[in-house]
Amino acid sequence: DAGVIQSPRHEVTEMGQEVTLRCKPISGHNSLFWYRQTMMRGLELLIYFNNNVPIDDSGMPEDRFSAKMPNASFSTLKIQPSEPRDSAVYFCASSFGQGGGYTFGSGTRLTVV
Amino acid sequence: GESVGLHLPTLSVQEGDNSIINCAYSNSASDYFIWYKQESGKGPQFIIDIRSNMDKRQGQRVTVLLNKTVKHLSLQIAATQPGDSAVYFCAEKNNAGNMLTFGGGTRLMVKP
Repeated sequence: DAGVIQSPRHEVTEMGQEVTLRCKPISGHNSLFWYRQTMMRGLELLIYFNNNVPIDDSGMPEDRFSAKMPNASFSTLKIQPSEPRDSAVYFCASSFGQGGGYTFGSGTRLTVV
Repeated sequence: GESVGLHLPTLSVQEGDNSIINCAYSNSASDYFIWYKQESGKGPQFIIDIRSNMDKRQGQRVTVLLNKTVKHLSLQIAATQPGDSAVYFCAEKNNAGNMLTFGGGTRLMVKP
């Protein structure tokens, strides 16, 4: 298995633009997580899906952020409009069941200028 | 809310020495703990885990110790190598959910 695949690896965009981050979880995993990592706040959970259904989105910063999981093999995190303070590394992770840890993707480094 | 924290932000060790990275947690309901390693430009990578019914678990060159009395977790790395240089995170989960809560991370620097 290729692991959790995220795209793009790097994204530079202007303030106000829409940004879409993509994630392909490990085949067979039924839980998917989006995290944001910054120096100031560390790893923050944004949203968590189980069997494609959002379970907890309390970490989503504001209405500018939205996430979807249309099927078991794909998820998107969208920011519209983007702001400089959204600059961070965004990680997607997946897991199977509730008994173990997560497998993380390589992340998307987002820079909003 | 309750959170997981770390005592030391940076740890510098000599190559070949043993390393100990510590973590304090505050949620007494946590029953599963994981150590992750994150190298520059990469996502966190699973190292070793331990459940609350154990107090010690060993892997290859790594050992995790859990002290539930004082809510303390540690990662021991034997014969530290330059490739061990990274940021290490502890994470906790409780049986009420499937969400991991991560600590702030400790940077391990290995001097040749």
